Amino acid sequence: GAGVSQTPSNKVTEKGKYVELRCDPISGHTALYWYRQSLGQGPEFLIYFQGTGAADDSGLPNDRFFAVRPEGSVSTLKIQRTERGDSAVYLCASSLTLTDTQYFGPGTRLTVL
Amino acid sequence: AQSVTQPDIHITVSEGASLELRCNYSYGATPYLFWYVQSPGQGLQLLLKYFSGDTLVQGIKGFEAEFKRSQSSFNLRKPSVHWSDAAEYFCAVLLDSNYQLIWGAGTKLIIKP
Repeated sequence: GAGVSQTPSNKVTEKGKYVELRCDPISGHTALYWYRQSLGQGPEFLIYFQGTGAADDSGLPNDRFFAVRPEGSVSTLKIQRTERGDSAVYLCASSLTLTDTQYFGPGTRLTVL
Repeated sequence: AQSVTQPDIHITVSEGASLELRCNYSYGATPYLFWYVQSPGQGLQLLLKYFSGDTLVQGIKGFEAEFKRSQSSFNLRKPSVHWSDAAEYFCAVLLDSNYQLIWGAGTKLIIKP
């Protein structure tokens, strides 16, 4: 079956602009996670959803970052007033339940000029 | 605080030689442990996981890992590496308090012909 998909695969934007990154999880997976991976580092947790609600958003770096999952499936990560330090690969993962294996999408590479 | 340490940033191994990648974790409760592999331009792929039971875990592509509670380690092994194993390998622990994956910084595996 289809895996986790993320769009766009690459996004180049200018400092101060707004961006949206989309994640389509595996069908039937109730848990959805967002991570950020900077060059040479492991992924860093941002937020996770159980169903429609954000169960833990403690990893979001500041209030410029926001994520939604209105129907319990597709999720969008929104970044306002982008800064050069936001440049990274944003990874999405989904799992059947919270303690099951997390399956990752290919990521969106965000570059802020 | 919970953490995962992968002490080797790079490892170079000759094709056909054996491999061991080290992973140490710091977590008070019983850990759920994972190894993922990330090839250039690819998403993170699960190699194997330990939840409970037998401490020697078999994974895909001929990999195995052994959980040693006394050493807080979960080292990844393969008896004979192939050129296609060249990639970055990440160890991670799932916190059962908030279901976040905490990641090591990764080990880049280079295969010598």
